[in-house]
Amino acid sequence: AQKITQTQPGMFVQEKEAVTLDCTYDTSDQSYGLFWYKQPSSGEMIFLIYQGSYDEQNATEGRYSLNFQKARKSANLVISASQLGDSAMYFCAMREGSNNNDMRFGAGTRLTVKP
Amino acid sequence: DVKVTQSSRYLVKRTGEKVFLECVQDMDHENMFWYRQDPGLGLRLIYFSYDVKMKEKGDIPEGYSVSREKKERFSLILESASTNQTSMYLCASSFMDRVRQPQHFGDGTRLSIL
Repeated sequence: AQKITQTQPGMFVQEKEAVTLDCTYDTSDQSYGLFWYKQPSSGEMIFLIYQGSYDEQNATEGRYSLNFQKARKSANLVISASQLGDSAMYFCAMREGSNNNDMRFGAGTRLTVKP
Repeated sequence: DVKVTQSSRYLVKRTGEKVFLECVQDMDHENMFWYRQDPGLGLRLIYFSYDVKMKEKGDIPEGYSVSREKKERFSLILESASTNQTSMYLCASSFMDRVRQPQHFGDGTRLSIL
């Protein structure tokens, strides 16, 4: 079964607007970590933000925030004030406490920011 | 800053060739990983290693092998390259047993098998 599901293959957003990229996950572990990565067309994977399963506050890093809803097992990435440079693939990933040397990735969402 | 370096950004090889992809990290990470990335499939784990000379199969190890002779270096080997191994290959490293730590990635190798 898929551990990480990203249901939006592609998304468009107007420059300066906010956008939400969806991610749902499946685990029976109590301890786990959720990560978002950005992959520009050049190919490198850039770590953006982390949310721990025991963290009470939603994670924020600059224009990135994570809307963590534990009961619904969702960890959506919110990008505020989109910029043209935000156009990229975005991957959600999970690391489980019972097997924390491994990381599972979703299929990714391609975000395009329109001027 | 963590640096994970992959030996080639682009590589073109022929069917049947033995192909070596090299990865080096400078952060003293115990874990190293090789992923394959294909459109619509995300990243799939080929092999990972948690120590020198140790390796574990990932989800798609068939047709690949790995070597870790030194802590900082992890090599992916395509024993006899086939066209269905044309893909983007990503190397990553991380500390062991730290759920909160991200994996750090190299820039990727776009491999074409003709």
